[in-house]
Amino acid sequence: NAGVMQNPRHLVRRRGQEARLRCSPMKGHSHVYWYRQLPEEGLKFMVYLQKENIIDESGMPKERFSAEFPKEGPSILRIQQVVRGDSAAYFCASSPNVGTGASNEQFFGPGTRLTVL
Amino acid sequence: GNSVTQMEGPVTLSEEAFLTINCTYTATGYPSLFWYVQYPGEGLQLLLKATKADDKGSNKGFEATYRKETTSFHLEKGSVQVSDSAVYFCALSGSGNQFYFGTGTSLTVIP
Repeated sequence: NAGVMQNPRHLVRRRGQEARLRCSPMKGHSHVYWYRQLPEEGLKFMVYLQKENIIDESGMPKERFSAEFPKEGPSILRIQQVVRGDSAAYFCASSPNVGTGASNEQFFGPGTRLTVL
Repeated sequence: GNSVTQMEGPVTLSEEAFLTINCTYTATGYPSLFWYVQYPGEGLQLLLKATKADDKGSNKGFEATYRKETTSFHLEKGSVQVSDSAVYFCALSGSGNQFYFGTGTSLTVIP
């Protein structure tokens, strides 16, 4: 059973360009979470999605950032008009569809390291 | 609200030394508690977890006990190895499925 897949692993963009980060959850998982890790910092929650629904986007910046998890295909985190401060590692995690529950483990992908020049 | 406060690093230990990384939390309700480990260039891997008070999570020689009275979940290992060098994150999960992470503690074990 493949783990959480993220691509690309490394992404370089110039200021003003768009960045698209992809995440394929583990097989059978319908919950996806995106986190951002700035250098020397912990992970900050960005958004929680289920298929075709955004459940919690309280950690998403109000502008330029968006996320989706379509019925078919991977989850996409999109950053428009990137700035240098967007440089970070972006991690995706997934959890199984066992309903809400504090004990649901999240399984993490290897991350996408975004560098904005 | 929910938050996790983790011992700041970096921590450097000699091989076979005893390890403690402190973690305390603030939470509403009854969270589950986790320790994740991140090796260089990789994503986070679950190390251990505890879902209710007084539970002890253990894995690969690491242990942590869910202490509700002190709101703590300290990570311990009796004898560290060079291969344990990594960044360790304490986290909690509430009823909304969202995880709250500490800032991470970098551990370096020297031979």
